[in-house]
Amino acid sequence: EPEVTQTPSHQVTQMGQEVILRCVPISNHLYFYWYRQILGQKVEFLVSFYNNEISEKSEIFDDQFSVERPDGSNFTLKIRSTKLEDSAMYFCASSRDRMNTGELFFGEGSRLTVL
Amino acid sequence: GESVGLHLPTLSVQEGDNSIINCAYSNSASDYFIWYKQESGKGPQFIIDIRSNMDKRQGQRVTVLLNKTVKHLSLQIAATQPGDSAVYFCAEGGSQGNLIFGKGTKLSVKP
Repeated sequence: EPEVTQTPSHQVTQMGQEVILRCVPISNHLYFYWYRQILGQKVEFLVSFYNNEISEKSEIFDDQFSVERPDGSNFTLKIRSTKLEDSAMYFCASSRDRMNTGELFFGEGSRLTVL
Repeated sequence: GESVGLHLPTLSVQEGDNSIINCAYSNSASDYFIWYKQESGKGPQFIIDIRSNMDKRQGQRVTVLLNKTVKHLSLQIAATQPGDSAVYFCAEGGSQGNLIFGKGTKLSVKP
C-alpha cells in the first residue's frame, strides 16, 4: 500500500539553527500539506501546496517557514531559525484531490526537539 | 469563528462493546467532515468522512452520524477491539486542505 514517508523521524537542534524536514508524498498525489502537533495537543494546519506553489497557509506559517518541492518526489519544510516553541511533531500529508473531495494520507511524522 | 471540538477527552470501553465518540463543530457552513485515528507515535489515519448533504455514512465497523441542526458529529465503532485503542480526532475540511482538527478523544479498550 502506498504511503507518505518522512525523514528524519526525530531531530534535535539548538535554538536558532535551521532545520529541514523531508517528505516523500504518494506518487500520484497532487496536493501536499504540512501539519504540526505540539505534544498532547491537536493537529494544526501549516500549509498546503499544489502545482509548485503554496495554496494556503495558516497564521503559524510565518516567514521562518518555507516549503519546497525540489524534485519530482520530495516535499520539504524548512524552518530557518528554530525557536523553542517549534518543538512538535511535524506531519506531511498528501492527497490526490482537493481536500474536501478526497482522503488525506499522513506520514508518521518527524519529531523536532529544539533545545 | 471556525472551531471543531470534542465533548470528552477520554473514553474507556469493554472489548466487544460499541463505542461512541462525539464531536461538536461551530462553522455551520462546513460541508465536509472527517474522522481520524491516531495511534501512539503515528500520524493520523483516515477512518471515514461525510459530506453535509448526508446524515449517516457507514464503513466497516464504523458509522459516522452528522446532525447539522445541532452541529454535532459522532463516530460509532461496533464491537470495539483492543486495536481500536487510539486517539480519535474529528476534523472539518477546508477548501484547500486546511483540516481543522478537534482536540481528540482517547479511546481505551479494556480486555
